[in-house]
Amino acid sequence: EVQLLESGGGLVQPGGSLRLSCAASGFTFSSYAMSWVRQAPGKGLEWVSAISGSGGSTYFADSVKGRFTVSRDNSKNTLYLQMDSLRAEDTAVYYCAKDRLRLPGSGMDVWGQGTTVTVSS
Amino acid sequence: QSALTQPASVSGSPGQSITISCTGTSSDIGGYNYVSWYQQYPGKAPKLMIYDVSNRPSGVSNRFSGSKSGNTASLTISGLQAEDEADYYCSSYTSSSTYVFGTGTKVTVL
Repeated sequence: EVQLLESGGGLVQPGGSLRLSCAASGFTFSSYAMSWVRQAPGKGLEWVSAISGSGGSTYFADSVKGRFTVSRDNSKNTLYLQMDSLRAEDTAVYYCAKDRLRLPGSGMDVWGQGTTVTVSS
Repeated sequence: QSALTQPASVSGSPGQSITISCTGTSSDIGGYNYVSWYQQYPGKAPKLMIYDVSNRPSGVSNRFSGSKSGNTASLTISGLQAEDEADYYCSSYTSSSTYVFGTGTKVTVL
C-alpha cells in the first residue's frame, strides 16, 4: 500500500525552528518528486515547497523562500522540511504529497494525513 | 504568485451537473497543460481527482471531468451525488517551476 506518514509538528515560538519528516512506503521513492502543502486553520491549500526525485532541484513558494529548506534521503525513503524563522502565519496543517512524475508539475496523487504546526508565544 | 480564482461556492440538486471554474494567467493555466483538481472533505487530506487538465486517476468516477480554455480551467461533476459535497481546489504548474492552488470552492448538494 502506498503511504505517507508525516511527523515533527508541534508548538513553537515565533522565530523558532522545526523539522518535519515524511516517511514514504509502497512505491519507488526516488522516482518521484515530493511536495509540501499547508493549510492554515479555516483556509485553503497553499503549496510550500517541492524537490525532484533525485533531490538535485528544489522549489519554494515566495512566502517561505529563505526560511524553509527541503531535502530528502532516498536511502531512508524520507522527505524533510526544515522550517526556520517561523512566524505566526506559518501556523497550519502541513501535508507531504507525492508528485506524479520525477519533476513537479503534473499533480500530487498521494497525500499524507498531515501534521500540525502552531507558531505562538 | 497569486492564488488562482475560483467561485467560493457552487450548489446543485442530485443528478444535476455543476461546473467549477478556475481562472489564472498565461504564466500558469494558460501556459501549461498541467492543471489538476483536488477534492477535500473536512479534516481530511486532499484527493487528486483530475491531472494534466482532463485525465482521471484510476479509481476516480467518470462523473468528474476537466477541461481548459485559455487561462481558465473547469471541473464538471455530472450526476451530482450527496457524496460529492466537499471542497474542491484547482492547481496549476507555473512559469516559476512552482505550483499554485486556487482559492477553493465549496460544493453543496441541495
